[in-house]
Amino acid sequence: AAGVIQSPRHLIKEKRETATLKCYPIPRHDTVYWYQQGPGQDPQFLISFYEKMQSDKGSIPDRFSAQQFSDYHSELNMSSLELGDSALYFCASSLLKEGQETQYFGPGTRLLVL
Amino acid sequence: AQSVSQHNHHVILSEAASLELGCNYSYGGTVNLFWYVQYPGQHLQLLLKYFSGDPLVKGIKGFEAEFIKSKFSFNLRKPSVQWSDTAEYFCAVTPPGNAGNMLTFGGGTRLMVKP
Repeated sequence: AAGVIQSPRHLIKEKRETATLKCYPIPRHDTVYWYQQGPGQDPQFLISFYEKMQSDKGSIPDRFSAQQFSDYHSELNMSSLELGDSALYFCASSLLKEGQETQYFGPGTRLLVL
Repeated sequence: AQSVSQHNHHVILSEAASLELGCNYSYGGTVNLFWYVQYPGQHLQLLLKYFSGDPLVKGIKGFEAEFIKSKFSFNLRKPSVQWSDTAEYFCAVTPPGNAGNMLTFGGGTRLMVKP
Protein backbone atom coordinates (compact mmCIF):
# COMPACT_ATOMS: atom_id res chain seq x y z
CA ALA A 1 0.00 0.00 0.00
CA ALA A 2 1.13 3.53 -0.74
CA GLY A 3 2.61 5.38 2.21
CA VAL A 4 3.36 8.95 3.10
CA ILE A 5 6.24 10.33 1.08
CA GLN A 6 8.57 12.99 2.36
CA SER A 7 11.35 14.79 0.60
CA PRO A 8 14.14 15.33 0.97
CA ARG A 9 15.09 12.56 3.38
CA HIS A 10 18.17 14.37 4.57
CA LEU A 11 19.01 18.04 4.50
CA ILE A 12 22.01 19.99 5.69
CA LYS A 13 21.72 23.74 6.05
CA GLU A 14 23.66 26.51 7.69
CA LYS A 15 22.39 28.94 10.28
CA ARG A 16 20.09 31.65 8.96
CA GLU A 17 19.38 29.71 5.77
CA THR A 18 15.92 28.57 4.69
CA ALA A 19 14.60 25.08 4.10
CA THR A 20 11.48 23.63 2.50
CA LEU A 21 10.24 20.19 3.42
CA LYS A 22 7.64 18.42 1.33
CA CYS A 23 5.03 15.86 2.23
CA TYR A 24 2.84 13.79 -0.06
CA PRO A 25 -0.01 12.12 1.85
CA ILE A 26 -1.41 8.68 1.28
CA PRO A 27 -3.79 8.87 -1.72
CA ARG A 28 -7.29 10.01 -0.72
CA HIS A 29 -6.12 11.27 2.66
CA ASP A 30 -7.28 14.83 3.21
CA THR A 31 -5.39 15.80 6.35
CA VAL A 32 -1.69 16.30 6.90
CA TYR A 33 0.25 16.90 10.10
CA TRP A 34 3.77 18.03 10.82
CA TYR A 35 5.76 16.91 13.87
CA GLN A 36 9.26 17.67 15.05
CA GLN A 37 11.27 15.05 16.90
CA GLY A 38 14.48 16.16 18.58
CA PRO A 39 17.17 13.65 19.56
CA GLY A 40 15.88 11.33 22.26
CA GLN A 41 12.53 13.10 22.42
CA ASP A 42 9.00 12.24 21.50
CA PRO A 43 7.40 13.91 18.49
CA GLN A 44 6.04 17.39 19.07
CA PHE A 45 3.11 18.57 17.02
CA LEU A 46 3.69 21.61 14.85
CA ILE A 47 0.67 22.15 12.64
CA SER A 48 -2.04 20.35 10.68
CA PHE A 49 -4.21 21.00 7.65
CA TYR A 50 -7.58 19.61 6.68
CA GLU A 51 -8.87 20.21 3.18
CA LYS A 52 -6.20 22.85 2.62
CA MET A 53 -7.16 24.86 5.68
CA GLN A 54 -5.13 25.05 8.86
CA SER A 55 -6.80 22.78 11.38
CA ASP A 56 -4.71 22.75 14.53
CA LYS A 57 -1.57 24.54 15.60
CA GLY A 58 1.03 23.47 18.08
CA SER A 59 4.45 24.70 19.05
CA ILE A 60 5.44 25.93 15.63
CA PRO A 61 7.91 28.85 15.67
CA ASP A 62 6.95 32.04 13.87
CA ARG A 63 9.92 31.42 11.55
CA PHE A 64 8.11 28.38 10.20
CA SER A 65 5.11 28.37 7.93
CA ALA A 66 3.24 25.64 6.16
CA GLN A 67 0.47 25.11 3.70
CA GLN A 68 -1.50 22.38 2.00
CA PHE A 69 -1.99 22.56 -1.73
CA SER A 70 -4.87 21.62 -4.01
CA ASP A 71 -3.39 18.15 -4.58
CA TYR A 72 -3.22 17.75 -0.77
CA HIS A 73 0.53 17.73 -0.57
CA SER A 74 2.00 20.00 2.07
CA GLU A 75 5.16 22.04 2.45
CA LEU A 76 6.84 23.21 5.63
CA ASN A 77 8.91 26.34 5.10
CA MET A 78 11.57 27.10 7.65
CA SER A 79 13.45 30.39 7.63
CA SER A 80 16.31 31.86 9.65
CA LEU A 81 17.34 28.38 10.67
CA GLU A 82 18.88 27.93 14.09
CA LEU A 83 21.06 25.15 15.45
CA GLY A 84 18.15 24.03 17.61
CA ASP A 85 16.05 23.32 14.54
CA SER A 86 18.17 20.23 13.88
CA ALA A 87 15.70 17.40 14.25
CA LEU A 88 13.68 14.77 12.46
CA TYR A 89 10.57 16.24 10.86
CA PHE A 90 7.71 13.84 10.33
CA CYS A 91 4.68 14.32 8.21
CA ALA A 92 1.59 12.22 8.83
CA SER A 93 -1.64 11.92 6.91
CA SER A 94 -5.12 10.72 7.74
CA LEU A 95 -8.65 10.45 6.47
CA LEU A 96 -11.49 11.28 8.81
CA LYS A 97 -14.10 8.57 8.47
CA GLU A 98 -17.16 8.24 10.73
CA GLY A 99 -15.52 10.41 13.34
CA GLN A 100 -12.39 8.31 13.46
CA GLU A 101 -8.99 8.99 12.01
CA THR A 102 -5.61 7.34 12.25
CA GLN A 103 -2.42 9.19 11.48
CA TYR A 104 0.11 7.36 9.33
CA PHE A 105 3.63 8.68 9.41
CA GLY A 106 6.13 9.21 6.67
CA PRO A 107 9.82 8.32 6.89
CA GLY A 108 10.79 11.80 8.01
CA THR A 109 13.26 14.44 6.89
CA ARG A 110 16.39 14.64 8.96
CA LEU A 111 17.49 18.26 9.11
CA LEU A 112 20.92 19.22 10.31
CA VAL A 113 21.69 22.88 10.84
CA LEU A 114 25.37 23.75 11.06
CA ALA B 1 -5.46 19.88 27.11
CA GLN B 2 -4.61 16.24 27.06
CA SER B 3 -1.42 14.74 28.45
CA VAL B 4 0.10 11.29 28.29
CA SER B 5 2.59 9.62 30.58
CA GLN B 6 4.56 6.47 30.09
CA HIS B 7 5.92 5.15 33.33
CA ASN B 8 8.98 3.32 32.12
CA HIS B 9 11.55 5.14 30.06
CA HIS B 10 13.80 2.13 29.58
CA VAL B 11 12.96 -1.55 29.76
CA ILE B 12 15.37 -4.41 29.27
CA LEU B 13 14.03 -7.92 28.79
CA SER B 14 15.34 -11.26 27.67
CA GLU B 15 13.80 -12.99 24.69
CA ALA B 16 10.56 -14.86 25.49
CA ALA B 17 9.85 -12.65 28.50
CA SER B 18 6.46 -11.03 28.77
CA LEU B 19 6.09 -7.32 28.21
CA GLU B 20 3.78 -4.72 29.66
CA LEU B 21 4.31 -1.02 29.02
CA GLY B 22 2.23 1.41 30.98
CA CYS B 23 0.41 4.40 29.54
CA ASN B 24 -1.86 6.80 31.38
CA TYR B 25 -3.59 9.78 29.92
CA SER B 26 -5.27 12.83 31.26
CA TYR B 27 -8.17 14.30 29.33
CA GLY B 28 -11.62 15.46 30.28
CA GLY B 29 -13.49 13.60 27.58
CA THR B 30 -13.47 10.75 25.13
CA VAL B 31 -10.15 10.00 23.51
CA ASN B 32 -8.78 7.89 20.73
CA LEU B 33 -5.75 5.91 21.85
CA PHE B 34 -2.78 4.63 19.88
CA TRP B 35 0.47 2.82 20.28
CA TYR B 36 3.23 3.50 17.77
CA VAL B 37 6.59 1.79 17.47
CA GLN B 38 9.78 3.38 16.20
CA TYR B 39 12.56 0.99 15.26
CA PRO B 40 16.07 2.43 15.34
CA GLY B 41 16.49 5.04 12.63
CA GLN B 42 13.00 4.54 11.28
CA HIS B 43 9.67 6.32 11.30
CA LEU B 44 6.70 5.77 13.56
CA GLN B 45 4.60 2.75 12.69
CA LEU B 46 1.13 2.09 14.03
CA LEU B 47 0.93 -0.93 16.31
CA LEU B 48 -2.70 -0.69 17.34
CA LYS B 49 -5.50 1.74 18.08
CA TYR B 50 -8.63 2.06 20.17
CA PHE B 51 -11.64 4.16 19.26
CA SER B 52 -14.55 2.42 20.97
CA GLY B 53 -16.04 -0.99 21.64
CA ASP B 54 -14.08 -3.95 22.96
CA PRO B 55 -11.46 -2.50 25.33
CA LEU B 56 -9.00 -5.23 24.45
CA VAL B 57 -7.48 -4.48 21.08
CA LYS B 58 -5.09 -6.59 19.11
CA GLY B 59 -2.45 -5.13 16.89
CA ILE B 60 0.32 -6.25 14.63
CA LYS B 61 3.25 -8.46 15.60
CA GLY B 62 1.42 -10.08 18.51
CA PHE B 63 0.88 -6.89 20.50
CA GLU B 64 -2.32 -6.08 22.32
CA ALA B 65 -3.51 -3.29 24.58
CA GLU B 66 -6.29 -2.90 27.09
CA PHE B 67 -8.23 0.30 27.61
CA ILE B 68 -9.32 0.69 31.23
CA LYS B 69 -11.48 3.78 31.37
CA SER B 70 -11.64 3.97 35.15
CA LYS B 71 -7.87 4.05 35.33
CA PHE B 72 -7.31 6.27 32.27
CA SER B 73 -4.89 3.62 31.09
CA PHE B 74 -4.01 1.94 27.83
CA ASN B 75 -1.23 -0.50 28.60
CA LEU B 76 0.58 -2.38 25.88
CA ARG B 77 1.32 -6.09 26.25
CA LYS B 78 3.04 -8.90 24.46
CA PRO B 79 3.27 -12.40 25.94
CA SER B 80 6.69 -13.25 24.53
CA VAL B 81 9.09 -10.65 23.15
CA GLN B 82 11.66 -11.21 20.45
CA TRP B 83 14.98 -9.53 19.81
CA SER B 84 13.38 -7.80 16.82
CA ASP B 85 11.01 -5.98 19.19
CA THR B 86 13.88 -3.77 20.29
CA ALA B 87 12.54 -0.30 19.58
CA GLU B 88 10.98 2.75 21.15
CA TYR B 89 7.28 2.59 21.90
CA PHE B 90 5.03 5.63 22.06
CA CYS B 91 1.56 5.87 23.47
CA ALA B 92 -0.51 8.69 21.97
CA VAL B 93 -3.96 10.18 22.33
CA THR B 94 -6.16 12.49 20.35
CA PRO B 95 -9.67 13.75 20.91
CA PRO B 96 -12.12 12.23 18.45
CA GLY B 97 -14.42 13.84 15.97
CA ASN B 98 -12.53 16.53 14.09
CA ALA B 99 -9.97 16.16 11.37
CA GLY B 100 -6.53 17.52 12.07
CA ASN B 101 -6.47 17.00 15.81
CA MET B 102 -2.95 16.69 17.08
CA LEU B 103 -1.57 13.53 18.59
CA THR B 104 -0.17 14.00 22.05
CA PHE B 105 2.59 11.52 22.71
CA GLY B 106 3.89 10.07 25.91
CA GLY B 107 7.61 10.34 26.50
CA GLY B 108 8.29 6.97 24.93
CA THR B 109 9.63 3.73 26.34
CA ARG B 110 12.85 2.39 24.96
CA LEU B 111 12.73 -1.41 24.93
CA MET B 112 15.83 -3.51 24.58
CA VAL B 113 15.43 -7.25 24.15
CA LYS B 114 18.52 -9.31 24.84
CA PRO B 115 18.96 -12.37 22.65
